Amino acid sequence: GENVEQHPSTLSVQEGDSAVIKCTYSDSASNYFPWYKQELGKRPQLIIDIRSNVGEKKDQRIAVTLNKTAKHFSLHITETQPEDSAVYFCAASVPLGNMLTFGGGTRLMVKP
Amino acid sequence: ETGVTQTPRHLVMGMTNKKSLKCEQHLGHNAMYWYKQSAKKPLELMFVYSLEERVENNSVPSRFSPECPNSSHLFLHLHTLQPEDSALYLCASSQVHFIAGGGYEQYFGPGTRLTVT
Repeated sequence: GENVEQHPSTLSVQEGDSAVIKCTYSDSASNYFPWYKQELGKRPQLIIDIRSNVGEKKDQRIAVTLNKTAKHFSLHITETQPEDSAVYFCAASVPLGNMLTFGGGTRLMVKP
Repeated sequence: ETGVTQTPRHLVMGMTNKKSLKCEQHLGHNAMYWYKQSAKKPLELMFVYSLEERVENNSVPSRFSPECPNSSHLFLHLHTLQPEDSALYLCASSQVHFIAGGGYEQYFGPGTRLTVT
């Protein structure tokens, strides 16, 4: 089955700096790659996603890149703010069934 | 109520108890999921129901028994649990289009914090 690895497990940045989180996946059939943000005590919420027919997607301060050949994808957050502090999860799914395999999560801390 | 709701929000049970977790989605979705979230494995898929049929059982012990009576409700029946089953149990729902394939946002509920004593 699919295996998703996520790095780093913790990331501390200064407010205003950029943050990058990287994930690799094992199943070349995977075609959907969402990123979820989970604030302390709250439910995971989708912040951005990308499909395998696209190499990059941007939404304001957040961007995701996908390299299908290398089977890795990354989340980029620019101009970080304290409210970006949370745990971020990457995930991958194959076309059938919308079953997500999640990475281990990255705890992002933005210091004011 | 909107979105995905779960009850109870907190549950403490002994190892010999039987209890059930309930999930309800108000989004008109046709797929529902159970996840276990613990420090050891942050988001682990347990069960998937699509059009009320179970399509995935991710090697989950039989002391966890899911039930999906209709597309809006999902239950997780618990019996003779172990202390290592203590975790946050999250329900999610999504739309799935079988011709177009996967790749749709999953909406999570707030979770049930389960403690097994």
